[in-house]
Amino acid sequence: DADVTQTPRNRITKTGKRIMLECSQTKGHDRMYWYRQDPGLGLRLIYYSFDVKDINKGEISDGYSVSRQAQAKFSLSLESAIPNQTALYFCATSDSGTVGPVGYQPQHFGDGTRLSIL
Amino acid sequence: SQKIEQNSEALNIQEGKTATLTCNYTNYSPAYLQWYRQDPGRGPVFLLLIRENEKEKRKERLKVTFDTTLKQSLFHITASQPADSATYLCALDGDYKLSFGAGTTVTVRA
Repeated sequence: DADVTQTPRNRITKTGKRIMLECSQTKGHDRMYWYRQDPGLGLRLIYYSFDVKDINKGEISDGYSVSRQAQAKFSLSLESAIPNQTALYFCATSDSGTVGPVGYQPQHFGDGTRLSIL
Repeated sequence: SQKIEQNSEALNIQEGKTATLTCNYTNYSPAYLQWYRQDPGRGPVFLLLIRENEKEKRKERLKVTFDTTLKQSLFHITASQPADSATYLCALDGDYKLSFGAGTTVTVRA
């Protein structure tokens, strides 16, 4: 079984709809992240959470919201989807470890959700 | 502005040769640099981490160098195999997050 599971894997929806993407992990990691990936642009951070009560905006949070329901669950919502939110979305986790800096810990990714907004 | 640039062109090489990928950065001062592999339809998978005070790191057929003066990392795949075909991403740490390059796609021909 995958350590980081994303659902759904694919979703096609219409402009204006509310969409929720879900992520669950069995790695026991404190830190969770949501990214989007667009061709030629690399992964861009949407939101991140360092523990259950912690939510932080990333570089492209406008139009998105998140909820950290438990240590193992982190969901991403698009309140009113628009076509330029069509992308691949990835959830990732990392251990806080004994060293604080994010860059010291590898990130573990799910296999993504391919989202198309018509 | 901050920028991470990886080889803009895809890399096509013959099996057995060495693939060399570059990761150049501007306006970052990373303490760590990571490399990931991404296969089509899958999420990135962590390969290697190198610290700013390390010049070189090896793992099996992979070698990474990190030159903070040149602001560059090189990623080498030696004795390449068709199974090494994938997209490779570099990532730099900065404050609260990792910043990723767009990746370089490597195709190894048998």
